[in-house]
Amino acid sequence: EAGVAQSPRYKIIEKRQSVAFWCNPISGHATLYWYQQILGQGPKLLIQFQNNGVVDDSQLPKDRFSAERLKGVDSTLKIQPAKLEDSAVYLCASSSAGYWETQYFGPGTRLLVL
Amino acid sequence: DAKTTQPPSMDCAEGRAANLPCNHSTISGNEYVYWYRQIHSQGPQYIIHGLKNNETNEMASLIITEDRKSSTLILPHATLRDTAVYYCIALQGAQKLVFGQGTRLTINP
Repeated sequence: EAGVAQSPRYKIIEKRQSVAFWCNPISGHATLYWYQQILGQGPKLLIQFQNNGVVDDSQLPKDRFSAERLKGVDSTLKIQPAKLEDSAVYLCASSSAGYWETQYFGPGTRLLVL
Repeated sequence: DAKTTQPPSMDCAEGRAANLPCNHSTISGNEYVYWYRQIHSQGPQYIIHGLKNNETNEMASLIITEDRKSSTLILPHATLRDTAVYYCIALQGAQKLVFGQGTRLTINP
């Protein structure tokens, strides 16, 4: 079974530029999550999708971050404009149902904002 | 949701059992204890979860005290590949995973 795929693996941008990350969840998984992991900390949930609808985006900085999940499969997370403090690893995860189901994580995208 | 407390770091010799403690003294009756780990440069990986009974799978064993205020994750024969940050999370139903700082486990040859 293929795992969660993410791209790119690494990205370096300058502040005020925009960037987008892509995630392809495990086939058949209805729930998709985006997490932000700052160096030295545990992952923090940014947004959760159930199929193509948003379930929880309470910790998403909506003035600069946006996410979508077209057709309930792939998802993109965008930052525009980026700030220095957005430097982090962005992790995508999926599960077959809600929060209580095992989440499967992708390898993450490491973002450095200069 | 219950807060969990873990030691920041631990060491273990290769081939020995690694015992990782977790305190969750405010856990409620219907909160499960979940363990995930994160190997360097990878995403977190699910290990095991339990409610009140001890659990075992191919990766580890989970021992939960009778009062459910603490638990121990046991890796029976640790290898160098078990070096990772281990997260203990208390989770109920539709609550979201809240990762703390975890325990950085280092397996020494």
